[in-house]
Amino acid sequence: DAGVTQSPTHLIKTRGQQVTLRCSPKSGHDTVSWYQQALGQGPQFIFQYYEEEERQRGNFPDRFSGHQFPNYSSELNVNALLLGDSALYLCASSLGVAGYYNEQFFGPGTRLTVL
Amino acid sequence: SQKIEQNSEALNIQEGKTATLTCNYTNYSPAYLQWYRQDPGRGPVFLLLIRENEKEKRKERLKVTFDTTLKQSLFHITASQPADSATYLCALFSGNTPLVFGKGTRLSVIA
Repeated sequence: DAGVTQSPTHLIKTRGQQVTLRCSPKSGHDTVSWYQQALGQGPQFIFQYYEEEERQRGNFPDRFSGHQFPNYSSELNVNALLLGDSALYLCASSLGVAGYYNEQFFGPGTRLTVL
Repeated sequence: SQKIEQNSEALNIQEGKTATLTCNYTNYSPAYLQWYRQDPGRGPVFLLLIRENEKEKRKERLKVTFDTTLKQSLFHITASQPADSATYLCALFSGNTPLVFGKGTRLSVIA
């Protein structure tokens, strides 16, 4: 059973560019959450998708957008990249929208570097 | 506003001893707390969820306590091993609020 997978593993972009990160949830999971983790910090919640809709959103600007597909996979898009967007981007999947009572499974992350 | 603090950035202990990590919080009610382990370059791995009406929870060598008066959770690893070396994150939510993580404590178990 494949766990949560993310692609690409690493990415280097320049300021002002746009980036798309991809996530496939654990088999059987229908909820995907995205987090940003800066070096030395804990993960920070960006948003959560369930049934192809954004259900919750953290304190991130509109430059951060996402999408969930019918097969539950998800994309995170970031426009007009800033140096401060450099971080590890984590995807987590879970079953249902019962808050966080159900265990979340995290992927290995995508390391984004903005030059 | 809601805040989470993990007081120690790093903790070094001898193999075989009990490691104790602290997580303090404010303005969560009801509070549900999770502990995660994160290895370098990897995503966090869920360890335990404890609800505020549960004072203690155990899983193998792990023990988590929850004191709603002090607004504090303690995370214990007994008989620690070098393989327990990692960063440990606490995270809280209340009802349907987003999960908020602390900064983590980097534990090093020295043989």
